[in-house]
Amino acid sequence: EADIYQTPRYLVIGTGKKITLECSQTMGHDKMYWYQQDPGMELHLIHYSYGVNSTEKGDLSSESTVSRIRTEHFPLTLESARPSHTSQYLCASSDFRSDLMNTEAFFGQGTRLTVV
Amino acid sequence: RKEVEQDPGPFNVPEGATVAFNCTYSNSASQSFFWYRQDCRKEPKLLMSVYSSGNEDGRFTAQLNRASQYISLLIRDSKLSDSATYLCVVNSEFSSGSARQLTFGSGTQLTVLP
Repeated sequence: EADIYQTPRYLVIGTGKKITLECSQTMGHDKMYWYQQDPGMELHLIHYSYGVNSTEKGDLSSESTVSRIRTEHFPLTLESARPSHTSQYLCASSDFRSDLMNTEAFFGQGTRLTVV
Repeated sequence: RKEVEQDPGPFNVPEGATVAFNCTYSNSASQSFFWYRQDCRKEPKLLMSVYSSGNEDGRFTAQLNRASQYISLLIRDSKLSDSATYLCVVNSEFSSGSARQLTFGSGTQLTVLP
């Protein structure tokens, strides 16, 4: 089993609230990712990080922000939740080895967010 | 054009059938290739990496054709437990050119029927 954890698993929250989705991994991976996935739809990368103090936006525009102050922790924050943010958010991590191309990404179990 | 494209599916096959999934990628600089499996309402998990020489793991065979930028997954003697969405994944450059990311295809849903 992968050592990557997301909390909460499920969250129902009102419009306008600030929320932080937590993601932690104990594998010492440098790379971490946040993906957004609607039911039955594809994964979209919204944020990624190569290491401490390194964060970038992914291909899908998102109103969320991320931080990477510690290697093991990559939280995602929505300052003001809206119903359009309702989705599943998946965190992943992988090892950065330039000499090892086939590096697997490990996923957390996801957070199902519903904004009402 | 999407960076990674897969058969749209869904595939509904009887138990014991052989099923093949295809995937094409657009970035010729891509260097790593994977098949992931995602069960309904679960996170994706690595099924197998795909090597240039092709590789097999039990009933699963993965092939890579770099010239055609094409990846395939073959499942033989399919089981009910194989029912899932299969994701083609490519490790390629970020659009900024700074480093590599995993790009996921939209997935092909497989249902194995008794």
